Amino acid sequence: GQQVMQIPQYQHVQEGEDFTTYCNSSTTLSNIQWYKQRPGGHPVFLIQLVKSGEVKKQKRLTFQFGEAKKNSSLHITATQTTDVGTYFCITLETSGSRLTFGEGTQLTVNP
Amino acid sequence: DTEVTQTPKHLVMGMTNKKSLKCEQHMGHRAMYWYKQKAKKPPELMFVYSYEKLSINESVPSRFSPECPNSSLLNLHLHALQPEDSALYLCASSQDGVGIMGEQYFGPGTRLTVT
Repeated sequence: GQQVMQIPQYQHVQEGEDFTTYCNSSTTLSNIQWYKQRPGGHPVFLIQLVKSGEVKKQKRLTFQFGEAKKNSSLHITATQTTDVGTYFCITLETSGSRLTFGEGTQLTVNP
Repeated sequence: DTEVTQTPKHLVMGMTNKKSLKCEQHMGHRAMYWYKQKAKKPPELMFVYSYEKLSINESVPSRFSPECPNSSLLNLHLHALQPEDSALYLCASSQDGVGIMGEQYFGPGTRLTVT
């Protein structure tokens, strides 16, 4: 069955440093979504990637979908304390039948 | 209105109790989801309703019983739960069915404690 690995599990950075989390699947994906969950909050949608090699930007956030549609990354430039939270990927297999959450990367930002 | 509401916010129940969690959305979304989230873990998908029909049941024990009375409402009926069922229960909705996997809007969750 499909396996989704998200790394790293934890990341501690100083404010202003960059941050990247990766989501890797053992099978080809139909699409992938990224969510952010603040401490004590609920997941909030960030982006959806559908096309092979797709790159999308939202201000300081850059999202990439691999050419083989098996991996994705979320990069934050110059982190701020408001970026604190856990970042999850959700993947959908090409069969459309299996929706899987990555384990999440918990980001802490020291001011 | 881009909000998913869940009631109650907190629930404490004994192992012999019967209770229900409620979820509501008025965005016209056709897919609704129940997730269970333990501390410091990702949400685990439990059920998906697509066009008011149960389309995914992730081998959830029968002590959890979902119900979708109409396109705006989703319930989760709880009976004879175990202490290990204590968790945050999240409801979500999306415009299209899970096979398309549109953006999911999550509710704030119900914090359930089973004593």
